[in-house]
Amino acid sequence: AQKITQTQPGMFVQEKEAVTLDCTYDTSDPSYGLFWYKQPSSGEMIFLIYQGSYDQQNATEGRYSLNFQKARKSANLVISASQLGDSAMYFCAMRGGAMDTGRRALTFGSGTRLQVQP
Amino acid sequence: NAGVTQTPKFRVLKTGQSMTLLCAQDMNHEYMYWYRQDPGMGLRLIHYSVGEGTTAKGEVPDGYNVSRLKKQNFLLGLESAAPSQTSVYFCASSYGTAFTYEQYFGPGTRLTVT
Repeated sequence: AQKITQTQPGMFVQEKEAVTLDCTYDTSDPSYGLFWYKQPSSGEMIFLIYQGSYDQQNATEGRYSLNFQKARKSANLVISASQLGDSAMYFCAMRGGAMDTGRRALTFGSGTRLQVQP
Repeated sequence: NAGVTQTPKFRVLKTGQSMTLLCAQDMNHEYMYWYRQDPGMGLRLIHYSVGEGTTAKGEVPDGYNVSRLKKQNFLLGLESAAPSQTSVYFCASSYGTAFTYEQYFGPGTRLTVT
């Protein structure tokens, strides 16, 4: 079974500073994908970034980067130069590979609420 | 291109009533999913479909039924609503079978059962 753990229920960061949101995962599947989604107060789920288990380099998308440490089973999200609009819930999620029995569904963590202060 | 849409956006039910949530996607995706999100928690999989005419149970299927008669639509039914089904329901779709493909989410349906 897959499991995602996000140990930070809430985080504060000053505007323009960088922040790291932690995510650890557990799976016996040799191939998998890791995703981060943002959920603002309006409620929609916004895809931010993806990292594949076989990717050699850490993923980056604009101000978002994923610090992938496979041996530690961690996939932390780094947001650089925080903006007020970054205030939201952030979810780490995993999608399985060969052992997924065909579902390809996402397994989510419980989320981290980020608040950016001016 | 509307992406993934959900109907309705809000609904209040009384215990024992039934309703159907509709999810529609216009991206020709094979895979579709229903998740629920309870306060302070991540999303949990209710049911999913890997193609037209096929459905399967996820982690929390009790009290729900689904149907996928057309590729673009995925319906979630509550036959006899219970207060424990008060939640936000998200539909999602995905292009293919590879784990690399992201899921596209609808805007959610906020359901309250009194």
